Amino acid sequence: GAGVSQSPSNKVTEKGKDVELRCDPISGHTALYWYRQRLGQGLEFLIYFQGNSAPDKSGLPSDRFSAERTGESVSTLTIQRTQQEDSAVYLCASSPTGTVYGYTFGSGTRLTVV
Amino acid sequence: AQSVTQLDSQVPVFEEAPVELRCNYSSSVSVYLFWYVQYPNQGLQLLLKYLSGSTLVKGINGFEAEFNKSQTSFHLRKPSVHISDTAEYFCAVRPSGGSYIPTFGRGTSLIVHP
Repeated sequence: GAGVSQSPSNKVTEKGKDVELRCDPISGHTALYWYRQRLGQGLEFLIYFQGNSAPDKSGLPSDRFSAERTGESVSTLTIQRTQQEDSAVYLCASSPTGTVYGYTFGSGTRLTVV
Repeated sequence: AQSVTQLDSQVPVFEEAPVELRCNYSSSVSVYLFWYVQYPNQGLQLLLKYLSGSTLVKGINGFEAEFNKSQTSFHLRKPSVHISDTAEYFCAVRPSGGSYIPTFGRGTSLIVHP
């Protein structure tokens, strides 16, 4: 597609429920990143996928967070047993391999845990 | 590892006035530097980037930034701002080799008053 697409744009969930957030990167972009942006905060790196290589999961805050990506296509970020501190905007970005071109971001998913 | 410090969380300015948004970074290796803008309820858009060469980089919407290696800074400037420049601005850095994961600053909110 023309840009990075994220769905849903907004998600309200009850504490303890699992949620799945989806990211459709730009076609041909081999790298995909997930970031978390809490209210009034900067971007917190979560996970990085590069082609078929093992993902860099060093930013995932706990084992309740996981992400998958099939090849160079869609990625899903799953948060299990959601907590109120998980409330944030989750941003996805993609880029060509080894980019010096910058990163293209989606509009994010605003997650609210009540 | 690298880090990014955006010294000002908020910068208020009047329309048509000049503005400078400050960014300092820390890294043990050479880096690429980026500025992104985030309008309300949108994803991040690339404003400009420094990879190598001339230390003065020009970007979109009349913005420019100057890379200063000795001061490890990459300040963003615009000689005359518009109301439409009101947004959140993020500075980011990533190593020029090795990891492709960018580190973002906490953001600076630019508020342009009429």
